[in-house]
Amino acid sequence: GENVGLHLPTLSVQEGDNSIINCAYSNSASDYFIWYKQESGKGPQFIIDIRSNMDKRQGQRVTVLLNKTVKHLSLQIAATQPGDSAVYFCAENAGAGSYQLTFGKGTKLSVIP
Amino acid sequence: DAGITQSPRHKVTETGTPVTLRCHQTENHRYMYWYRQDPGHGLRLIHYSYGVKDTDKGEVSDGYSVSRSKTEDFLLTLESATSSQTSVYFCAISVVPRLAGRTDTQYFGPGTRLTVL
Repeated sequence: GENVGLHLPTLSVQEGDNSIINCAYSNSASDYFIWYKQESGKGPQFIIDIRSNMDKRQGQRVTVLLNKTVKHLSLQIAATQPGDSAVYFCAENAGAGSYQLTFGKGTKLSVIP
Repeated sequence: DAGITQSPRHKVTETGTPVTLRCHQTENHRYMYWYRQDPGHGLRLIHYSYGVKDTDKGEVSDGYSVSRSKTEDFLLTLESATSSQTSVYFCAISVVPRLAGRTDTQYFGPGTRLTVL
């Protein structure tokens, strides 16, 4: 929604630089993680996912890193573009095989032209 | 957009009135979900469905009911709307994976902005 960016931590990045967005998760039983992008007034859009048997997964200009030891997930965006400006949030499942996801509050990414 | 539409996209209503939001999908996905999104909170699950006439409660189900009489439609009803239900509502779907026991990605619709005065 339009207000999804309010009260969120903000990351400002110069166009062309790399962005790193972090997420801490709480459930040690979670085995599936997703990153979503949400632009103002739109629904969340799937970016990339990773399962717990992996530490790293790459997509087009995006990389997700998973550190299960400290329960930390990060999203790296290479060569950040103005179109990357949005709220990014992570989601984790409720445990192996669960159909339910728990969503983080998100980070607002602002790209400075 | 995973073939998901939501209607209406915007609605303003008064406290105490019933409201029904509709989620429609075109790809026969089995699992459908209703979430609400509010500033300061992540997406919170209201109800979900795992098949026709099969539904279950989520984290914030009080004041909401759902129905799924057809695979393609999942309805969310606020029996008597309250101002605390002012929010943006998202529908999502997931595809049951072929391998059992694996969580699948959820894909979201465009949302419905509901204002209860």
